[in-house]
Amino acid sequence: QVQLVQSGSELKKPGASVKVSCKASGYTFTSYAMNWVRQAPGQGLEWMGWINTNTGNPTYAQGFTGRFVFSLDTSVSTAYLQISSLKAEDTAVYYCDRSTSSGAFDIWGQGTMVTVSS
Amino acid sequence: QSVLTQPPSVSGAPGQRVTISCTGSSSNIGAGYDVHWYQQLPGTAPKLLIYGNSNRPSGVPDRFSGSKSGTSASLAITGLQAEDEADYYCQSYDSSLSGSGVVFGGGTKLTVL
Repeated sequence: QVQLVQSGSELKKPGASVKVSCKASGYTFTSYAMNWVRQAPGQGLEWMGWINTNTGNPTYAQGFTGRFVFSLDTSVSTAYLQISSLKAEDTAVYYCDRSTSSGAFDIWGQGTMVTVSS
Repeated sequence: QSVLTQPPSVSGAPGQRVTISCTGSSSNIGAGYDVHWYQQLPGTAPKLLIYGNSNRPSGVPDRFSGSKSGTSASLAITGLQAEDEADYYCQSYDSSLSGSGVVFGGGTKLTVL
């Protein structure tokens, strides 16, 4: 079946980096854009941006430039989110999700909890 | 402060009908961009509930319906059930002088009494 499976929870110290993976299966990876969404503890959903799975070109939302990098490995149908110079306020669940032509996010990964604490 | 405004909470008794509003502006919903709705059960990832303002993905009960008018959209849930207790989010696209991109509402917590 169509699914996105993300890597497991991470505990990092401030200043470190983390790389979250999102493996797609059940569909042609390059036929749909991949988005990333952040949800801080007890908070709502925040769109981080998206990556064109055909060209690898990323687009970052305001507030997610500089320390955030989207990348792909199309040979294994996997998208990645790397966050550098981690801060306590980066503590959140990070979701990858597939967007359709209508702009809706029809398939979501299970989420990856990233905790930043000294 | 979210670009799309939702009530923080709504409640209803089993069997009742509830609606959740999503208020935007001329740079998003009012500009003609579609509205989508998601249901997030406790401890789980969001799930697409309504796409393109009023369309239900396969498997979503017809108790859920969506509508859009002007700069607002609404999600209606009829025949409320205990398992509907969740957070609900609206989503659209916003294009303004300061930039453009996907925007979410702040979320609405539905409590089934």
